[in-house]
Amino acid sequence: EAGVTQFPSHSVIEKGQTVTLRCDPISGHDNLYWYRRVMGKEIKFLLHFVKESKQDESGMPNNRFLAERTGGTYSTLKVQPAELEDSGVYFCASSQGASGSYEQYFGPGTRLTVT
Amino acid sequence: RKEVEQDPGPFNVPEGATVAFNCTYSNSASQSFFWYRQDCRKEPKLLMSVYSSGNEDGRFTAQLNRASQYISLLIRDSKLSDSATYLCAVDFYFGNEKLTFGTGTRLTIIP
Repeated sequence: EAGVTQFPSHSVIEKGQTVTLRCDPISGHDNLYWYRRVMGKEIKFLLHFVKESKQDESGMPNNRFLAERTGGTYSTLKVQPAELEDSGVYFCASSQGASGSYEQYFGPGTRLTVT
Repeated sequence: RKEVEQDPGPFNVPEGATVAFNCTYSNSASQSFFWYRQDCRKEPKLLMSVYSSGNEDGRFTAQLNRASQYISLLIRDSKLSDSATYLCAVDFYFGNEKLTFGTGTRLTIIP
C-alpha cells in the first residue's frame, strides 16, 4: 500500500512569491491533516479535512494560507504571498477516520525556504 | 507551560542498555497518545499508540499514567538503529483530531 506522498520535496522561493504544496493521502483515508515544523520548534497543527470539508483550521497562521481538498482526494496548501517566517517543513498526514483507525501516518514533507 | 513536554536530551546510551523517557501533557481530558520516531530530515513514523494503560511491541513498551499525566517509552536491549528523535503526540479528543506534539527526545545509541 502506498503511503502519504507530498510534492515537491523542496521549494525555494523569494519573499512575496506564491507556492503551492500538494499532498496525496493513503488511498481510502478520509482524514487529511497539514502540520508544519519551523526550525527549532515542535511540529504544529495547521488544519484538518474530513473528506472535502474543513473540520478544523484553527492552526492556520493567517489568511495568506489557503488549503483545499477538492473531491476529498488530494489536498493543496497555497501560501500567497510567502513571508520569511513561512520557512519550515510542511507535513501532511492521513488517517482512516470513523470507519477504521485514528492513527495518523505522515508524508515525507515539503521543505520550504523563503528567501 | 507547554501542552506537551519532553526532555530534549540528548540521551547517549550504550548498545544493549535499557532507556526510558517520559512525556507530560497538560490537558487531563486527553484521550489518545502516540509515540513517533523521526530520523534526521525524515517524516515522523508511528511507533506505538497508547490508548489505555499501555502496550508492548517487542523491545518497546509504552505506559500511560493518567493520574500524573504522563506517558513513557521504554526501549530494552537498545540497537544502533534505535538512534533517532522520539516524538510524543497527544490527541486531546478521541480520534480524528489534531495531534499536539512535544519537541522530541533525541536518542543516540553508542557502539
